[in-house]
Amino acid sequence: AQSVTQLDSQVPVFEEAPVELRCNYSSSVSVYLFWYVQYPNQGLQLLLKYLSGSTLVKGINGFEAEFNKSQTSFHLRKPSVHISDTAEYFCAVISGGSNYKLTFGKGTLLTVNP
Amino acid sequence: DTAVSQTPKYLVTQMGNDKSIKCEQNLGHDTMYWYKQDSKKFLKIMFSYNNKELIINETVPNRFSPKSPDKAHLNLHINSLELGDSAVYFCASSQDRVAGLREQYFGPGTRLTVT
Repeated sequence: AQSVTQLDSQVPVFEEAPVELRCNYSSSVSVYLFWYVQYPNQGLQLLLKYLSGSTLVKGINGFEAEFNKSQTSFHLRKPSVHISDTAEYFCAVISGGSNYKLTFGKGTLLTVNP
Repeated sequence: DTAVSQTPKYLVTQMGNDKSIKCEQNLGHDTMYWYKQDSKKFLKIMFSYNNKELIINETVPNRFSPKSPDKAHLNLHINSLELGDSAVYFCASSQDRVAGLREQYFGPGTRLTVT
């Protein structure tokens, strides 16, 4: 069975500081990994995804993530955050044989303070 | 020209009532989904339809019944509402099941409050 663990439920940072949101996954087969963002009172929007190939993937709004198979991690990073990055961030996984079912982590609330 | 739309946005109702949430996508996608987000923001898939055929049916009470009249619509009907049904329900779509690997497009959500 596939599962996702987001290690931090809340991450407060100051504007222009770097940030890393941690995500670990569990799956016995090949995986496809995603980060979605949910701004207040809105639906989810895809930030970036890893399907295959280069382990460093770049997404929208200056975010990037690195797939690390040996550590079963897919951490999200941004070198300099803005107030507008304040949102809930969800790591998610689809693994082979899951009938393409997207399983989400519990989310990390990123709060960017001035 | 909203891609995935849901109605209503807010729904307040009493225990025991029956209610429906509607979802429509104008992206020409074949696959649609219903997710439930609880008060702790945890998101879990409930159902998935591909070309009007049910392909994912998670462990959801029988009181929840999805209906897909055509591939652009996926409605969620809930019978005998309970307090624990209070949540935000999201509809999503993808081009097809495999494209769901690349990206799912989410609606704005319907906040259901059962009193």
